[in-house]
Amino acid sequence: GNSVTQMEGPVTLSEEAFLTINCTYTATGYPSLFWYVQYPGEGLQLLLKATKADDKGSNKGFEATYRKETTSFHLEKGSVQVSDSAVYFCALIKTGANNLFFGTGTRLTVIP
Amino acid sequence: DSGVTQTPKHLITATGQRVTLRCSPRSGDLSVYWYQQSLDQGLQFLIQYYNGEERAKGNILERFSAQQFPDLHSELNLSSLELGDSALYFCASSVAGTVNNSPLHFGNGTRLTVT
Repeated sequence: GNSVTQMEGPVTLSEEAFLTINCTYTATGYPSLFWYVQYPGEGLQLLLKATKADDKGSNKGFEATYRKETTSFHLEKGSVQVSDSAVYFCALIKTGANNLFFGTGTRLTVIP
Repeated sequence: DSGVTQTPKHLITATGQRVTLRCSPRSGDLSVYWYQQSLDQGLQFLIQYYNGEERAKGNILERFSAQQFPDLHSELNLSSLELGDSALYFCASSVAGTVNNSPLHFGNGTRLTVT
């Protein structure tokens, strides 16, 4: 079946620190991979995506590379800000399917 | 602002009761998705409608039902409520029928508390 395993949180970092949130997946075929972010009191927002192997998604300084050989899609940011504090969800979808499978989410807190 | 409107924001009700959650999709979006977010189960896909028709079904209980109306708004009906139904219910919308073709835009959710 399809599943996403995310690094458990919470993660607390100082401002300007390097961020990595690990995500690995299990899926048949070739899924598309996503990172969503949920700020306090809000719904999820698409942060970035990659639809095939070796694709790199990037947005707002965040990056993730679709690694088929390690079935991973780790989220990275070189220098986090307080405003990046949120819950981050890794997700996948099989081509042509209609439902996203989400990881459990990783709460990031950035302190000044 | 995602453009997806969910009402009410909060709902407190007793076990055994029935509630209706409402979602207005972003203007122009034809698909509506319902998700349940709980502490123990994480974010679970419930059901999707596309242009008024059911398109996909996930982990939706038989006590739950949904529909999408001609004006494309959607309602999620939860009946015979149990304590375990307490969760945040999200609606999301997209232009197309599959997520790969267009991203999901999420509402801010309805927090349901069953006492």
